[in-house]
Amino acid sequence: QVQLVESGGGLVKPGGSLRLSCAASGFTFSDYYMSWIRQAPGKGLEWVSYISSSGSTIYYADSVKGRFTISRDNAKNSLYLQMNSLRAEDTAVYYCARDLSATGTTYDYWGQGTLVTVSS
Amino acid sequence: DIQMTQSPSSLSASVGDRVTITCRASQSISSYLNWYQQKPGKAPKLLIYAASSLQSGVPSRFSGSGSGTDFTLTISSLQPEDFATYYCQQSYSTPPVTFGQGTRLEIK
Repeated sequence: QVQLVESGGGLVKPGGSLRLSCAASGFTFSDYYMSWIRQAPGKGLEWVSYISSSGSTIYYADSVKGRFTISRDNAKNSLYLQMNSLRAEDTAVYYCARDLSATGTTYDYWGQGTLVTVSS
Repeated sequence: DIQMTQSPSSLSASVGDRVTITCRASQSISSYLNWYQQKPGKAPKLLIYAASSLQSGVPSRFSGSGSGTDFTLTISSLQPEDFATYYCQQSYSTPPVTFGQGTRLEIK
């Protein structure tokens, strides 16, 4: 069965860095676009970034552009999010999600999420 | 960016009720509209994609309709496990992907 397992979250100071990972199993990872979506405590869903199946197409939300980098390793069935220059407003549960549509925009499987807390 | 507005923001209903949640886009998005259900402490779950297509494994009491700017999610007969928060999301003009603010469905 399809499984997505995020890791790497934690407490970090403003201006710090963190790298999230998402381990995928149960499907051919290299066939799918993947995305990161976040949810601040008690708030709604915010799309962060997506990456095409080959990694050749990448987009970011304006709120993270220039600070976050999405990448993938198809040989390791893994998705990553490098987060630099973190701010308090980046505090959220970060989900990785598989795309149903090959456009990066419809998410049929989600991980359980990993919490990132940015605080001094 | 396309703004998605859901109404109501919260809703109280009883088991067995028919419930409708509305989502409006700030511009036409054709049928590029998805619906998700999220329970507390859990990841969202895809219910409906392309406005009216039921995701595999989702009960048939869930249905979606609409096109252009106005969309609805209908639950024909509420079950206890349906009490959750529901989000719409446009997949027409991206990036960015945008979500509605959510509709919290509570037990009356």
